[in-house]
Amino acid sequence: QITLKESGPVLVRPTQTLTLTCSFSGFSLTTSGLGVGWFRQSPGKALEWLGLVYWDDDERCSPSLKHRLTITRDTTKNQVVLRMTNMDPVDTATYFCAHFAQRRNFFDPWGQGALVTVSS
Amino acid sequence: DIQMTQSPSTVSASVGDRVTITCRASESVNSLLAWYQQRPGQAPKVLIYQASILENGVPSRFSGSGSGTEFTLTISSLQPDDFATYYCQQYDTYWTFGQGTRVDLK
Repeated sequence: QITLKESGPVLVRPTQTLTLTCSFSGFSLTTSGLGVGWFRQSPGKALEWLGLVYWDDDERCSPSLKHRLTITRDTTKNQVVLRMTNMDPVDTATYFCAHFAQRRNFFDPWGQGALVTVSS
Repeated sequence: DIQMTQSPSTVSASVGDRVTITCRASESVNSLLAWYQQRPGQAPKVLIYQASILENGVPSRFSGSGSGTEFTLTISSLQPDDFATYYCQQYDTYWTFGQGTRVDLK
């Protein structure tokens, strides 16, 4: 059974860097064709894809956020880390990580999400 | 970016009703379209992928159709568990979602 769980700060100050960790089980990020993606959902809004790290350490990020995002993996800990710089109140959202399989090319299952508020 | 537009934004329906949600892409996504269900406070769950393939374990009252730029999700007979928000997502070029359709009780 594949499970994922996001963890990190509940509150971030404007201009700070957000660091979120996705801890997963039930698969290995050394397995060819797999990946972990990140999404966010602002209160009452639609879902937004942020980025994806693949089994081979390749990284893809949303073009609109690419300049602020870094996604890295730690295969020994079964974790993926999202870093987003220069946080702003508009970045307040629930952040999700999700399992990715290249043969299907979409994301499932997802973690439960972590609410991050950006405020001074 | 490929833009996804869903309609309607809200559907008010009763148990047993047939519900249809439409999703339109700003350019062709071929059949690379998934539908997700999200209940309040929960993560999205995939229902259908490749426009019409039912994910394992998803009830057969859910169905999907379409290709290119026009897609439809149909719930043939709405059940109490189905009151939720539904999102389409294209995965032809990166991944983008529609704005969601909330199904609530009439």
